[in-house]
Amino acid sequence: EVQLLESGGGLVQPGGSLRLSCAASGLTFNSYAMNWVRQAPGTGLEWVSAISGSGGSTYYADSVKGRFTISRDNSKNTLYLQMNSLRAEDTAIYYCAKARRVCSSTSCYTYYYYGMDVWGQGTTVTVSS
Amino acid sequence: QSALTQPPSASGSPGQSVTISCTGTNSDVGVYNYVSWYQQHPGKAPKLMIYEVSKRPSGVPDRFSGSKSGNTASLTVSGLQAEDEADYYCSSYAGSNNNYVFGTGTTVTVL
Repeated sequence: EVQLLESGGGLVQPGGSLRLSCAASGLTFNSYAMNWVRQAPGTGLEWVSAISGSGGSTYYADSVKGRFTISRDNSKNTLYLQMNSLRAEDTAIYYCAKARRVCSSTSCYTYYYYGMDVWGQGTTVTVSS
Repeated sequence: QSALTQPPSASGSPGQSVTISCTGTNSDVGVYNYVSWYQQHPGKAPKLMIYEVSKRPSGVPDRFSGSKSGNTASLTVSGLQAEDEADYYCSSYAGSNNNYVFGTGTTVTVL
């Protein structure tokens, strides 16, 4: 069974930094693109960032571009989100989510927008003084 | 990256059908077939219900179906059951600049 477990959330002051981790198990981690999605209290889902299976390509929402950095360590089966210059509006539950992989007769592909079929339980980030 | 537009709420009696719309633009829903739908129960992580407009992951009941026409995607839940009461979010790929966008979310109530 594929499992994702986020950690690293907490209370941080505006302007501060935090690094989230997402430990994956039950899968060949480097075969899948990964996403971070957040949900502010009482609101909807917001896509934050994504990374290819190899880690060579990264993607960001405009709201976090230049402040957040996504990365992965495939040897440790772990996804990261480094969050700098945090703002009150970054307060949310942060979920990591695995993208689907599509296979033809000759090869397999995974892109972050293929649909997120496994989600972690989320980790809460609160930005407040 | 503007959110896709969904109605705030929808409802139906057990056994009935409910359809949720998801309106985007010709930069996202209208041009890409990478529309997904997620179900989220209170306090839980989202669950993938539909991907690539109309495909169901294994384990999702065939009461859930998806479609698309122009800039609007739709999720239909047939034969409503109590456990279908949840929030539903659509999402779409939006190209290399705008990347990925979720809908505003719809709360489905089973009367």
